[in-house]
Amino acid sequence: EAGVAQSPRYKIIEKRQSVAFWCNPISGHATLYWYQQILGQGPKLLIQFQNNGVVDDSQLPKDRFSAERLKGVDSTLKIQPAKLEDSAVYLCASSFGRQGVYTGELFFGEGSRLTVL
Amino acid sequence: DAKTTQPNSMESNEEEPVHLPCNHSTISGTDYIHWYRQLPSQGPEYVIHGLTSNVNNRMASLAIAEDRKSSTLILHRATLRDAAVYYCILRDDRYSGAGSYQLTFGKGTKLSVIP
Repeated sequence: EAGVAQSPRYKIIEKRQSVAFWCNPISGHATLYWYQQILGQGPKLLIQFQNNGVVDDSQLPKDRFSAERLKGVDSTLKIQPAKLEDSAVYLCASSFGRQGVYTGELFFGEGSRLTVL
Repeated sequence: DAKTTQPNSMESNEEEPVHLPCNHSTISGTDYIHWYRQLPSQGPEYVIHGLTSNVNNRMASLAIAEDRKSSTLILHRATLRDAAVYYCILRDDRYSGAGSYQLTFGKGTKLSVIP
């Protein structure tokens, strides 16, 4: 079974530039998450989608970050303009997440490492 | 959100059992206890989860205290591949009615395995 796919794996940009990350979740997974992981810390949830609707984006810095999940499958996370403090690994995860079904498991991709200079 | 407390780091010798502790004194009755681990340069991966009873799977065992205020992840024979950061997480019960939920990660325990 294919896992969660993310691209690019690495990206280096100057501050104030823009960047986009792409995620393809496991087939059939209704719920998709974007996490930000700063070096030395645990992952922090940015946004959660259920199908193509946003469930929670309370920790997403909306002045510079945006995310979409068109058609309830792939998702894109964009940062514009980037700041130095956005340097982190951006992790995408998916789960089965159907109503009434509790699987207890999130599946993570390998992440996209962003360096802002 | 209910919080967990874990040691920052632990060491184990290869092929010996490892007991990773987690305190969660404010756990609610419907909070599931999850363990994930993160190998270097990888995303986190699921290890095990439980509610009240002890749980076993091919990767590990989860021992849950009777009062549920603490739990222990047990790796029966540590290998070098088990060197990772281990996260103990209580499932956030929000949105559970829709079948989806959130996991809030702390800093975890960095496990080093000595050959």
